[in-house]
Amino acid sequence: NAGVMQNPRHLVRRRGQEARLRCSPMKGHSHVYWYRQLPEEGLKFMVYLQKENIIDESGMPKERFSAEFPKEGPSILRIQQVVRGDSAAYFCASSLGTANTEAFFGQGTRLTVV
Amino acid sequence: QQQVKQSPQSLIVQKGGISIINCAYENTAFDYFPWYQQFPGKGPALLIAIRPDVSEKKEGRFTISFNKSAKQFSLHIMDSQPGDSATYFCAAGHNQGGKLIFGQGTELSVKP
Repeated sequence: NAGVMQNPRHLVRRRGQEARLRCSPMKGHSHVYWYRQLPEEGLKFMVYLQKENIIDESGMPKERFSAEFPKEGPSILRIQQVVRGDSAAYFCASSLGTANTEAFFGQGTRLTVV
Repeated sequence: QQQVKQSPQSLIVQKGGISIINCAYENTAFDYFPWYQQFPGKGPALLIAIRPDVSEKKEGRFTISFNKSAKQFSLHIMDSQPGDSATYFCAAGHNQGGKLIFGQGTELSVKP
């Protein structure tokens, strides 16, 4: 029973390029959360999605960032026109449903913008 | 209202000692309080969690103490071991699902 799978584990992008981060939730989980962790800081909530729906995007920057969780396939966090300040570890978590808040995290994608 | 404040930022404990990490929250609507353990280069892993209807929960060497009136909760690691050296995060959320608000993290180092 695989856990939350994130890929790539490491991603290097030049300023102005696009970054696409993928997250496959645990089997049977239909709730996905994305968090960002800056060096020496805690995790900051970005967005909460269920299949084909964005439930809460209160932590998403207004520009350049978008997320989706299609009916088929992994959840995608897309960052357009990356800047150095986007360099961080991005973690995805999944949970079973609304009555179960036990969230399981993936290993993260470490994005470096050069 | 959405903040969770965690202290200390770093902690050094001798092997066999007790590690204590404290958190305070503001939003009284929170009703789910998990602790996560994170090793370098890894994702956070759920350690133990508590809901506000109990004041204490113990799992092995790990205990959460919860003070609802003070809006504070803490993690106690008994008989701390070098393998416990990691970063610990408290968090707060809602029982009915949704985002977690994390504390700033505590880097624990257990010396042999």
